[in-house]
Amino acid sequence: EAGVAQSPRYKIIEKRQSVAFWCNPISGHATLYWYQQILGQGPKLLIQFQNNGVVDDSQLPKDRFSAERLKGVDSTLKIQPAKLEDSAVYLCASSSKGAGELFFGEGSRLTVL
Amino acid sequence: GQNIDQPTEMTATEGAIVQINCTYQTSGFNGLFWYQQHAGEAPTFLSYNVLDGLEEKGRFSSFLSRSKGYSYLLLKELQMKDSASYLCAVRDSNYQLIWGAGTKLIIKP
Repeated sequence: EAGVAQSPRYKIIEKRQSVAFWCNPISGHATLYWYQQILGQGPKLLIQFQNNGVVDDSQLPKDRFSAERLKGVDSTLKIQPAKLEDSAVYLCASSSKGAGELFFGEGSRLTVL
Repeated sequence: GQNIDQPTEMTATEGAIVQINCTYQTSGFNGLFWYQQHAGEAPTFLSYNVLDGLEEKGRFSSFLSRSKGYSYLLLKELQMKDSASYLCAVRDSNYQLIWGAGTKLIIKP
């Protein structure tokens, strides 16, 4: 069974530029999560989708971050414009049901200069 | 507010046993997870507890006491490859996952 796929693995941009990350969850997993993980900290939930509907986006900085999951499968997370404090690893995870274990992708490491 | 507490860092010797503690204060409880995260990699699932008691899985065991808001992860026969961060996460009454900051475990020969 293929795991959670993410791209790109690494991205370096300058502040005020934009960036987009892509995630393809495990086939059949209805729930998809985007997390931000800063070095030395636990993951921070940005947004959770159930199929193509948003379950929780309370911690998403909506003035600069956006995410979509149009067909209930893969998802994109966009940052525009980026700030220095957005430097982090962006982890995508999926689960087959809301209460099940999460399977994580390898993450996208963003450096904002 | 909701909170998960874990030690920031622990050091142990190869072949020994180490216990990583996690205490939580959350609005409701619907299960506790332990994940392992090697440096530069994604977290991988280790264990899940929803009832009180000990769950054993090979060299790793996880314990839960819901009345005390407490869990621990026990690692036996430590190997160098066990050097990683260990993340505790709790599902609250809304089925949202609350994550701890993780415990960095350093294994010395």
